Amino acid sequence: AQSVTQPDIHITVSEGASLELRCNYSYGATPYLFWYVQSPGQGLQLLLKYFSGDTLVQGIKGFEAEFKRSQSSFNLRKPSVHWSDAAEYFCAVYGSGNTGKLIFGQGTTLQVKP
Amino acid sequence: EPEVTQTPSHQVTQMGQEVILRCVPISNHLYFYWYRQILGQKVEFLVSFYNNEISEKSEIFDDQFSVERPDGSNFTLKIRSTKLEDSAMYFCASGEGQYFGPGTRLTVT
Repeated sequence: AQSVTQPDIHITVSEGASLELRCNYSYGATPYLFWYVQSPGQGLQLLLKYFSGDTLVQGIKGFEAEFKRSQSSFNLRKPSVHWSDAAEYFCAVYGSGNTGKLIFGQGTTLQVKP
Repeated sequence: EPEVTQTPSHQVTQMGQEVILRCVPISNHLYFYWYRQILGQKVEFLVSFYNNEISEKSEIFDDQFSVERPDGSNFTLKIRSTKLEDSAMYFCASGEGQYFGPGTRLTVT
């Protein structure tokens, strides 16, 4: 069965520092992968997605992610974090069955220190 | 930019009552979904809906749950007899699951 693991439950970085949030997936075929951000009390905003092609994907708000098939990973990165990036980040993969349902990871809470 | 909308933003109900959560998906999308997120937990798939019928449902989506697209724009989730454990944030999504609404926080007392 498909699954997504986000190994880091909570990460704290200083404002201006670089960020990498880890995501590992389990999927038999070529995965379709997503990163979402959720601010407190808010909905889920799509940051970026990978379907095929270039393995380095650019998203909104200065985020990027790199698909590495050999490592079953899709890590999210940002070169310089802003205080407004503090939120919860979810990695997700399309589930099987071609219905477009998403399987989510547990999420990583990002705290940004001034 | 088109967006998914949901009403109400917060619903408080008593155990055993029926609730209907409403969603207006993005107009040209064909796939619609409901997910839920219990406080502090990950987002879980409930059901997908395509061509006016359920295309897939999870184990969570038991007989207490139903979905409907009563007209060309709305997409509803009904919980027939709410339980305390139904308290969660419920998200609607459309467009093969990629675009999420802001959610409805359901509190069952």
